[in-house]
Amino acid sequence: AQRVTQPEKLLSVFKGAPVELKCNYSYSGSPELFWYVQYSRQRLQLLLRHISRESIKGFTADLNKGETSFHLKKPFAQEEDSAMYYCALSGGANNLFFGTGTRLTVIP
Amino acid sequence: NAGVTQTPKFRILKIGQSMTLQCTQDMNHNYMYWYRQDPGMGLKLIYYSVGAGITDKGEVPNGYNVSRSTTEDFPLRLELAAPSQTSVYFCASSYQKNEKLFFGSGTQLSVL
Repeated sequence: AQRVTQPEKLLSVFKGAPVELKCNYSYSGSPELFWYVQYSRQRLQLLLRHISRESIKGFTADLNKGETSFHLKKPFAQEEDSAMYYCALSGGANNLFFGTGTRLTVIP
Repeated sequence: NAGVTQTPKFRILKIGQSMTLQCTQDMNHNYMYWYRQDPGMGLKLIYYSVGAGITDKGEVPNGYNVSRSTTEDFPLRLELAAPSQTSVYFCASSYQKNEKLFFGSGTQLSVL
């Protein structure tokens, strides 16, 4: 079965501190993983996908197949990073499985 | 480009009533999706479509119907509303399967 687990519902960090949002997945095949973000009063939008190996707004995420993880990291958090973050897994079907989300609050 | 447009934004239904949630996109995307999000939960796929005239069930299709007569429109129909269908509904579209999804702003539905 395909599953995405985000163990933290809430995460607070101070501005300038490093941030890591955890995501673990369960899937027997080759996964495609994504991070989506929803800022206040905005739509859910793609932040990054592992296949692109890119850094968006200072965020990076590395797929670790051994630990089945896809944690989202940023070395220095900014206030504008406060948002709801969702990890999502594509298992090859026409479906994305979403985690329950982590609400990140960056404290000034 | 308006992107993905969903209507209405809010709706309250009585048990047993029916309604249609509208979704339209102007990006000429092949793939369209309907998700629901219950409080504290992740998004779950209700139905999806890979092109006009083609629809298929997702993870939680019971109690819903869809149609895709055009590339642009993908309405979601609730025939007999039940309290378990109280949720936030999101429509999304993408050009290719599981490529970047573009989401609508959501519909908050309450069934009382």
